[in-house]
Amino acid sequence: QSVLTQPPSASGTPGQRVTISCSGSSSNIGSNPVNWYQQLPGTAPKLLIYSNNQRPSGVPDRFSGSKSGTSASLAISGLQSEDEADYYCAAWDDSLNSYVFGTGTRVTVL
Amino acid sequence: EVPLVESGGGLVQPGGSLRLSCVASELTFSSYWMSWVRQAPGKGLEWVANIKQDGSEKYYVDSVKGRFTISRDNAKNSLYLQMNSLRAEDTAVYYCVRQIGGPSSYWGQGTLVTVSS
Repeated sequence: QSVLTQPPSASGTPGQRVTISCSGSSSNIGSNPVNWYQQLPGTAPKLLIYSNNQRPSGVPDRFSGSKSGTSASLAISGLQSEDEADYYCAAWDDSLNSYVFGTGTRVTVL
Repeated sequence: EVPLVESGGGLVQPGGSLRLSCVASELTFSSYWMSWVRQAPGKGLEWVANIKQDGSEKYYVDSVKGRFTISRDNAKNSLYLQMNSLRAEDTAVYYCVRQIGGPSSYWGQGTLVTVSS
């Protein structure tokens, strides 16, 4: 059972802005950086956002991350069809001494 | 060239053992924390274990403690996961991950482990 909670699904039309929430606690999001991953259908995940709001090289600036207290968010602006994927948040948990993933959110482009 | 290539997956009976390997093509392998992450069929991601650059620190998810061992050989640019006392719930695709939360993060293509009689 994941300690980071995400909505199971989100959707939008092309060009819209979609946001995904990630709720945790003081032992994970509240005290450690949050990372976000994108998993396209049938492929391995890849890092989308690290350290709350940093984009690795090659990730479009349509993707942005933020954190406040024990929650984090991923925003996708200018939604495109190729953004249809599963998205996971993650952070280190100091109480569990483990890296924990969120429950995952499937984004659908209508 | 693919930065990370996993191997060693397959079908194993409950209670059996399997050793996964991950070979890095880049000489900077020794500079990074490395992790194993798994994904059961149709399910989400689950972190399994990670290991510091020099192997001096290792961490595991509770469900595999005492059964799985992560190790690395920097001279061979290789990461390993020794899995013993395997259970049906260990069935998953196992990914080798370089720097799970940093600018040089990279995930291998995964290797499937199936635990079934």
